[in-house]
Amino acid sequence: SQQGEEDPQALSIQEGENATMNCSYKTSINNLQWYRQNSGRGLVHLILIRSNEREKHSGRLRVTLDTSKKSSSLLITASRAADTASYFCATETSGSRLTFGEGTQLTVNP
Amino acid sequence: GAVVSQHPSRVICKSGTSVKIECRSLDFQATTMFWYRQFPKQSLMLMATSNEGSKATYEQGVEKDKFLINHASLTLSTLTVTSAHPEDSSFYICSTVGRGDYTQYFGPGTRLTVL
Repeated sequence: SQQGEEDPQALSIQEGENATMNCSYKTSINNLQWYRQNSGRGLVHLILIRSNEREKHSGRLRVTLDTSKKSSSLLITASRAADTASYFCATETSGSRLTFGEGTQLTVNP
Repeated sequence: GAVVSQHPSRVICKSGTSVKIECRSLDFQATTMFWYRQFPKQSLMLMATSNEGSKATYEQGVEKDKFLINHASLTLSTLTVTSAHPEDSSFYICSTVGRGDYTQYFGPGTRLTVL
């Protein structure tokens, strides 16, 4: 069963703007990961944040994790048209098994 | 990181036939691989965990006799969709866990269409 919920389901912005996606989950986790998927393709790992971490950066990506609220956010700064894709959060609970959120479809208009 | 390949990338078959999908870990030995299914505009659903040299562990609601998984070597896991029907049409993706971290590395996926 899906334990992750993401909002918004779809987000359309202009190039140069920031994009924020949120993810909520229900159970305790070991870590939370964000992935990107271009249409009809496999997933690309973006960033992993451990349960004892609160914030992590990687290039134009910033991820936060609030375990008390069981939520995470992904911020993409200075977006580009090439950032257009679906973004999924995934929680890892045990045995490396991942439970994916519903995903956010991001469209960055040039 | 890790490089994972899948074959075929796309397959169209008639209802009632069986289809085998291969997942290969190209640059390291993977004792564990995962198989996911993704329907159009939906998220990934974990189907099973494939363990080298032992039986796969299936998620609740996934028919093990329908989706046969074999992980005979450290670099290859196969998923066979037996007696496929149109409702099995989906995007099947495998992944493996990287060395020394919790990151999963995904294959490019296989688009199965059952007519």
